[in-house]
Amino acid sequence: GENVEQHPSTLSVQEGDSAVIKCTYSDSASNYFPWYKQELGKGPQLIIDIRSNVGEKKDQRIAVTLNKTAKHFSLHITETQPEDSAVYFCAANGGSQGNLIFGKGTKLSVKP
Amino acid sequence: GAGVSQSPSNKVTEKGKDVELRCDPISGHTALYWYRQSLGQGLEFLIYFQGNSAPDKSGLPSDRFSAERTGGSVSTLTIQRTQQEDSAVYLCASSPLETQYFGPGTRLLVL
Repeated sequence: GENVEQHPSTLSVQEGDSAVIKCTYSDSASNYFPWYKQELGKGPQLIIDIRSNVGEKKDQRIAVTLNKTAKHFSLHITETQPEDSAVYFCAANGGSQGNLIFGKGTKLSVKP
Repeated sequence: GAGVSQSPSNKVTEKGKDVELRCDPISGHTALYWYRQSLGQGLEFLIYFQGNSAPDKSGLPSDRFSAERTGGSVSTLTIQRTQQEDSAVYLCASSPLETQYFGPGTRLLVL
């Protein structure tokens, strides 16, 4: 079955710097890759997603890139702000009936 | 519009008791998922409902866990004879197709 690995587990950056989180997946049949942001005490919130028919997608300060050949995808946050501090999860579809398989999360801290 | 709601938001119970957790999905979403998130950990898939199909129960950790989805809408996750290791946040998500939208979760503490 699908396996998703996420790195790093923690990331600390200065406000205004960029942050990059990387994920790899194992199932070449996976074709949908969402990213979620989870703030303390809340459920995960979708922030951006990408499908395998494109290599990059951007939404304001957030972008996601996908390399199907290497089976990895990355989240890029530019001009980070303190409110970007949260745990970020990547995921890939590929479960037996299409459920998402999640990475273990990255705790991002943006220092003012 | 209204998002996914879950109740209760917090539940404290004693070891050996049964608990029921409720999920109200977004109206019209055909798929519903339950996940478990232990402290500081990722999301562990539990069970998946899609329309009128038989649910995918492959993630349920033991036979003490069960879930129902009535009328294709509201779902209840039941944990029988709770154990301390069941303490976690239980998250529900609903989906119209691929994208999953999560509720705020139920924080379960088993004493």
